[in-house]
Amino acid sequence: SQQGEEDPQALSIQEGENATMNCSYKTSINNLQWYRQNSGRGLVHLILIRSNEREKHSGRLRVTLDTSKKSSSLLITASRAADTASYFCATDENYGQNFVFGPGTRLSVLP
Amino acid sequence: KAGVTQTPRYLIKTRGQQVTLSCSPISGHRSVSWYQQTPGQGLQFLFEYFSETQRNKGNFPGRFSGRQFSNSRSEMNVSTLELGDSALYLCASSLTSGKEYEQYFGPGTRLTVT
Repeated sequence: SQQGEEDPQALSIQEGENATMNCSYKTSINNLQWYRQNSGRGLVHLILIRSNEREKHSGRLRVTLDTSKKSSSLLITASRAADTASYFCATDENYGQNFVFGPGTRLSVLP
Repeated sequence: KAGVTQTPRYLIKTRGQQVTLSCSPISGHRSVSWYQQTPGQGLQFLFEYFSETQRNKGNFPGRFSGRQFSNSRSEMNVSTLELGDSALYLCASSLTSGKEYEQYFGPGTRLTVT
């Protein structure tokens, strides 16, 4: 079953612009993680946000979590061509034992 | 510290054959999880091993199996391959079991079944 659902499915922006991706989930969670995947390679962990946190920053990344709306957003500021990748959110199902990944947002940053 | 390694990187098999994929986690990591990634189904959890024991299993048929060795290296096996098994198989390691830890992914094994 898919827990996280990213929105939009694809996003195309110019270098220097900000990119925002959203993730919605269905059941309560303990934490939510964002990962990046470059063209058919392994995933790279970006950030973890716990259910009692509302916002977290890491470099040019800002993640917010709204547990009342069961949604999270990932903001990438001042995007670069190297940010071109697919971005996935992953949640732990309620007291579940494994991560559930959403279908991902494919971001294209044009030079 | 060396990252997660997976071998082989690419594999072509025919229907009905069986295949074994290997994953070496980051040194010191004891949990290894396997995922199947396809364009249609996305990333789907296969199973997790911790201290040589299968901790969790996803919703896959019994043709998919795995094991973990005492050095935390893990293998997954798929028997009686079907065309639909063509996918990128990703292995991820983490320090321990539990979903509050980040996972470190390997580059994946691209399996093509013809």
